[in-house]
Amino acid sequence: NAGVMQNPRHLVRRRGQEARLRCSPMKGHSHVYWYRQLPEEGLKFMVYLQKENIIDESGMPKERFSAEFPKEGPSILRIQQVVRGDSAAYFCASSPRTVKKETQYFGPGTRLLVL
Amino acid sequence: AQSVTQLDSQVPVFEEAPVELRCNYSSSVSVYLFWYVQYPNQGLQLLLKYLSGSTLVKGINGFEAEFNKSQTSFHLRKPSVHISDTAEYFCAVSGSGAGSYQLTFGKGTKLSVIP
Repeated sequence: NAGVMQNPRHLVRRRGQEARLRCSPMKGHSHVYWYRQLPEEGLKFMVYLQKENIIDESGMPKERFSAEFPKEGPSILRIQQVVRGDSAAYFCASSPRTVKKETQYFGPGTRLLVL
Repeated sequence: AQSVTQLDSQVPVFEEAPVELRCNYSSSVSVYLFWYVQYPNQGLQLLLKYLSGSTLVKGINGFEAEFNKSQTSFHLRKPSVHISDTAEYFCAVSGSGAGSYQLTFGKGTKLSVIP
């Protein structure tokens, strides 16, 4: 059973470009979470999605950031017009359908560097 | 709102010595508690979790943690560390109610095992 997959593992963008980060959850998992890890910081929750629905985006910056989890295909975290402050590691996690006592399984992360 | 404090940012320890990584949390609701380990340039791997029941929780790789509600602590311990335990360790908390899914992480503790 493959784990959570994220690609690319490393992404370099210049200021003003767009960054697209992809996450494929574990097989059978329909809940996806995105977290951001800034240098020397712990992970911070960004958004929680189920298939075709954004459940909670309270941790997402109001501008330039968006997320989706379509019926088919991976979840996408999109950052438009990137700035240097967006440089961070972005982790995706997934969990199964059970609501309580969920364990979130993390992917290897995408490390975004904005030049 | 919840918060997690990991009191030590770095812990050096000699191989085969015991180690304790400290974690304190604050929350106005009942919580679930987690320890994750992150090896360099990798994602987070769940070490152990406390959901309910016995306050002493055993995890993978010989680690254990004890939930102390009165002290709001969830310290991680291992009686004898190995070189391969060198990694960053994150304590995390989530609410235990329905719909509580956000993990709140501490800033991490870097464990360095010295040969």
